[in-house]
Amino acid sequence: EAQVTQNPRYLITVTGKKLTVTCSQNMNHEYMSWYRQDPGLGLRQIYYSMNVEVTDKGDVPEGYKVSRKEKRNFPLILESPSPNQTSLYFCASSSDGGGTEAFFGQGTRLTVV
Amino acid sequence: RKEVEQDPGPFNVPEGATVAFNCTYSNSASQSFFWYRQDCRKEPKLLMSVYSSGNEDGRFTAQLNRASQYISLLIRDSKLSDSATYLCVGPRGGGTASKLTFGTGTRLQVTL
Repeated sequence: EAQVTQNPRYLITVTGKKLTVTCSQNMNHEYMSWYRQDPGLGLRQIYYSMNVEVTDKGDVPEGYKVSRKEKRNFPLILESPSPNQTSLYFCASSSDGGGTEAFFGQGTRLTVV
Repeated sequence: RKEVEQDPGPFNVPEGATVAFNCTYSNSASQSFFWYRQDCRKEPKLLMSVYSSGNEDGRFTAQLNRASQYISLLIRDSKLSDSATYLCVGPRGGGTASKLTFGTGTRLQVTL
């Protein structure tokens, strides 16, 4: 079954404690991205990757890092989380960046206290 | 101006009604548009693509109006199960290899 898998689904952490949210896709897609979704602001892109070792900033990259060492994996790293990073995070993949369907993971609800 | 804008709603309609959402876009060179559906606290899922010639899938019809730079979604014979948030999506920069940009969504509530 074609899917994008994120882990964990729910996470509560404290300010400053480094965390990683994993994302994996089994569709051999080249394009992957991370979004955060906040009430009234919709989905905003954090980072995206067009292929292995190729990543670029989205609209709201501050406080986040990503890596793309393998085609299937695109982890999101918060080196020093802060309360304003409390949000619902989605990973997505597609065969290209804008012309085809994007498949989303189930989301990670992060709370930073 | 936001690249993609839509009315947040909510649209409250009775079961069986016809409802239409519009979404305006700012980049006249944009080629590909989509409507995604998102249920509460779930991931967005593709509902349908929007073609220049229009696209119909059962009770759903999507249209693209390039002259006025908007796309629309028409839902006929609304069902309770249609209650969700509908996201208008377009490409950033106008090319097919660019990033996606999402509208903030229009919430639909279908009632008995």
